[in-house]
Formats: sequence, structure tokens, C-alpha cells
Amino acid sequence: DGGITQSPKYLFRKEGQNVTLSCEQNLNHDAMYWYRQDPGQGLRLIYYSQIVNDFQKGDIAEGYSVSREKKESFPLTVTSAQKNPTAFYLCASSIDALRGENTGELFFGEGSRLTVL
Amino acid sequence: SQQGEEDPQALSIQEGENATMNCSYKTSINNLQWYRQNSGRGLVHLILIRSNEREKHSGRLRVTLDTSKKSSSLLITASRAADTASYFCATDSFFSGGYNKLIFGAGTRLAVHP
Repeated sequence: DGGITQSPKYLFRKEGQNVTLSCEQNLNHDAMYWYRQDPGQGLRLIYYSQIVNDFQKGDIAEGYSVSREKKESFPLTVTSAQKNPTAFYLCASSIDALRGENTGELFFGEGSRLTVL
Repeated sequence: SQQGEEDPQALSIQEGENATMNCSYKTSINNLQWYRQNSGRGLVHLILIRSNEREKHSGRLRVTLDTSKKSSSLLITASRAADTASYFCATDSFFSGGYNKLIFGAGTRLAVHP
């Protein structure tokens, strides 16, 4: 079945450590996104990528880094510079980049919950 | 910044009743989407309504859009316990490089009791 796979589902990190969250999609979508969700709040955009080898910062990119070396993969690294990393992280994709009037449907993974000890 | 804001924050109803959730936004949009999220899971797209549409149906879902009031509503008819989830509206907003991004509200938590 086609979809988006995020791993790990749960992750614990000690302060000062970098961690990488995996996101893989087999939907053949061009665009991929990372969102952060805090309790009782909506989603905030961290990074997005419209095409391989290109990505752009979202609203809360500080302390995070990404890469897009393959169309199928968009890993997110939460660095030690992120002061409050405990959150639920959601990866999403869309058929193509959201341009003009084309604000299409996002397909989400099941999320990764990161807890800093 | 939050573009869409849902109201109420939480809603508790009995099975069989209708559930209505509202979303208000601040700037002009191309379209508005509703998503559902079960606890601890990813979001699932429910319905998209374009700015030139006023009402749209999908199964037990009915969405309305009033661009003059910058608001939308999601109606779930004949609710079931399985409808228990959080519901988010998402509106598009201009982003860098000519691209749009979706801005999500804080959501409405719906609890449907058997």
C-alpha cells in the first residue's frame, strides 16, 4: 500500500544530543513537509521541500535541519540548538508543491513523538 | 501566526447527534481544508472547499464557507463513537518563492459518547 512511513514512533533524547527522524513515502509525491505539534495546538511548519536537493525553511526552522537527497526520503534532524524539542513531529507529502491556487491535500505519516530527558 | 482558529475548543455529544465545528480565518484564501486526527496519530484529509464554493458534502460531512465573514463550518451528522477525534481546519497562505503553505488552527476536540 502507498503511504508515508515515519520512524521511530517514540524517541527519547538526552539534552545536547542530535536525533534524526525518518520519513519515507512511496506515493511518488514531489513535495514533502515537516510539522511540529505541541499539546492542544495546531501544526507549525518546520521545513518543506518541493523537489529533490531543494528545501526551504518554514516558520520554526531554528534548531532543525533536513536533507532531500532522494524523492522518497525527507529526514529531519533535531539538533542540540533546539531549546524545546519535546513534541509530536509529523511528516507530510503532496503531489506537487503548493503553488498559486493549487493548495492540495496533504498526506500525513503517523508521527514521531520525541521526548527530551 | 495562526490563520485558522476553530471553535469550540472541545465538544461533547451523544451518538446520533450532530456536531458542528467552526473555523475563522484572517486573510483571503484560495481554499480551506478540514482534517481529522485520532489521538496520537497522523492527520487525515476530510474535505477541501474552494473559495468560489459555498457548500460541499461528503458522506455525513457538510462543509460551508462564507468568504465575506472569513469563516467555515464542518457539520458531522448522525455522529458515531468512531467520530471521536480532533478536527482541524487549514487555510492556505502565501509563502516564499511563489508557493503556498497550509496554516492549521488549534483544532476542536470532539468526544462522541455511546
